[in-house]
Amino acid sequence: GAVVSQHPSWVICKSGTSVKIECRSLDFQATTMFWYRQFPKQSLMLMATSNEGSKATYEQGVEKDKFLINHASLTLSTLTVTSAHPEDSSFYICSARGYITGANTEAFFGQGTRLTVV
Amino acid sequence: GEDVEQSLFLSVREGDSSVINCTYTDSSSTYLYWYKQEPGAGLQLLTYIFSNMDMKQDQRLTVLLNKKDKHLSLRIADTQTGDSAIYFCAENPTGTYKYIFGTGTRLKVLA
Repeated sequence: GAVVSQHPSWVICKSGTSVKIECRSLDFQATTMFWYRQFPKQSLMLMATSNEGSKATYEQGVEKDKFLINHASLTLSTLTVTSAHPEDSSFYICSARGYITGANTEAFFGQGTRLTVV
Repeated sequence: GEDVEQSLFLSVREGDSSVINCTYTDSSSTYLYWYKQEPGAGLQLLTYIFSNMDMKQDQRLTVLLNKKDKHLSLRIADTQTGDSAIYFCAENPTGTYKYIFGTGTRLKVLA
């Protein structure tokens, strides 16, 4: 299957600082990328959907000014957690859909980023 | 609210079959998916089924779909310790790009 690379795998930051997480599609053009948040022992909660070159669409209850999403190219989307606080500590996962040889793909997932805010 | 529901835990002995069940919400979903998540990792697509199919077999995996009851199941034959993980079903409602994930089933395989 196609590869989606997420970086970093884990990050620890101080409360009040900002953290950027990158999501790259390595071998296909990702026209749509999704950002999820997963709490321990829970399912994935969709935070936002972004299409390349457009503003992200945020799910209800997700603060767009806190979770900044940029999808500037067909292979890269970034999630920036601004002014992070301990309650933002979580596992963040991106996924991407796009086209491979003209066919629409299913969603491929990154390996996730564990954010710990101290 | 409408959730995609799964049982939380399943424990089986190595070599036995595992059956993980899922009740989804949107009858218009064209594809239904099964993903595997190992500890601290992202999601790995295991298999998927098109909504006009009743069954799909892929090596040790068998997916059964009952559209009338909106019920999906994943059977893993000859379950191995490496199959221990969390399994999520997901639906992709027609007309959206979103995937709606189930609550996840934690499978534990006992040696």
